[in-house]
Formats: sequence, C-alpha cells, structure tokens
Amino acid sequence: AQKITQTQPGMFVQEKEAVTLDCTYDTSDPSYGLFWYKQPSSGEMIFLIYQGSYDQQNATEGRYSLNFQKARKSANLVISASQLGDSAMYFCAMRGPQGAQKLVFGQGTRLTINP
Amino acid sequence: DTGVSQNPRHKITKRGQNVTFRCDPISEHNRLYWYRQTLGQGPEFLTYFQNEAQLEKSRLLSDRFSAERPKGSFSTLEIQRTEQGDSAMYLCASSLRAGYTDTQYFGPGTRLTVL
Repeated sequence: AQKITQTQPGMFVQEKEAVTLDCTYDTSDPSYGLFWYKQPSSGEMIFLIYQGSYDQQNATEGRYSLNFQKARKSANLVISASQLGDSAMYFCAMRGPQGAQKLVFGQGTRLTINP
Repeated sequence: DTGVSQNPRHKITKRGQNVTFRCDPISEHNRLYWYRQTLGQGPEFLTYFQNEAQLEKSRLLSDRFSAERPKGSFSTLEIQRTEQGDSAMYLCASSLRAGYTDTQYFGPGTRLTVL
C-alpha cells in the first residue's frame, strides 16, 4: 500500500527566507507521481508542483522546487523567498502507476510566514 | 478557463436527512474525483469517474453514499441518512486523461455539518 508521511505539523519562517517542507513516501511500484498542494484557509487545494518517478531532474515551478531523492523515498518541497501569502497548509500526495488514479495524501504541514 | 466549481459551499443538516452535492469539472476534463477531508487530516479518496463510468470506489464509500456522473460532465454525491461522522469537507477534482502528469485540479469544496 502507498503511504505519505509529513513529519512537520507546523513550520514558522521569517518572510523572505527559504523553507523546506518534508515528505517521505512508501510504495513498491516503480512508476508513481508525487504532487504538492497548497490549501489556504479558504479550503481550496491549489496544485503547486509535480515529480514523476522516472524524471531525471528535480521539478521546478517559479519559487517552488522539489528535492527528489528516490533512494531515500523523499520528495521535499522548497519554497524560496517566502512571502506572507505562502502561509497555508501544504500537502504532499502520491499517485500510483497508470490505472490507479487516486491520490494518497499526507497529513499536511501548516506553514506560517512571519513578517 | 473556469476552474472546478462545487455547490453548495456549506450545508448544515440534521442527522438522518439526505443531502446532495454537485460538482462541475473544468470543461473538457474527462476524469472526476471525490475526496473527503476531516479536520486536521489530508483528503481521502472516495470515488473516481472517467467520463460517465465510475471506475473506482473506496471502502470509505458506504452504502449510504452514491455518486453519479450521468452525462460525463457534472457529478453529484448523495449521502442518505446522514450521521454526525459524515461531517467533513467534500472535495471534487477533475483531470484530463492526456499527457504524463494527469494533474488533479480541485474545487473549493462543500463543507457539511451534521447536527
């Protein structure tokens, strides 16, 4: 069975600093996808970044990058130059191989950016 | 390009009543998903449609829950004889079965409170 673990319930960071949110995963499938979503207090899940298990390079999307370490089964999200608007819940999720479409989510990390 | 919409945004009901939620996916997205999120947890998968076919159902989806996507466009999720344990945020997502990532885009959710 697939499992996502996010060990940081809460993180507090000063504005403009970089922050790393941890995510480890467990799967026996060689093909899988890893996603990060942001959930502000309004409740909507906002897609941030995707990493495929066969991707050779770490994914990047603007200020977001994914530190993918396959051997360690980790997929940490790095946010550079944090902004006040980055304060939210962040969820790591995994999708299995083709044919298994559901996402399995971790418990999330609440990020608070201090001015 | 409008995103995923869900109605109602909030629903308060008494135990034992039936409720129905609606989800309108991003136009041309052929896959539609329902998730449930309780306080302090990540979303949990309920069910998934490809066009009008319901291809996967979670064991979380008891006999009191039913989901439909009659014409492969919008979807409804009905809960019969609601229980207090059904109180949660119900999230809908859609994706386009094309390409590699098949990213799921979420709606704002319907928050259900069962009194």
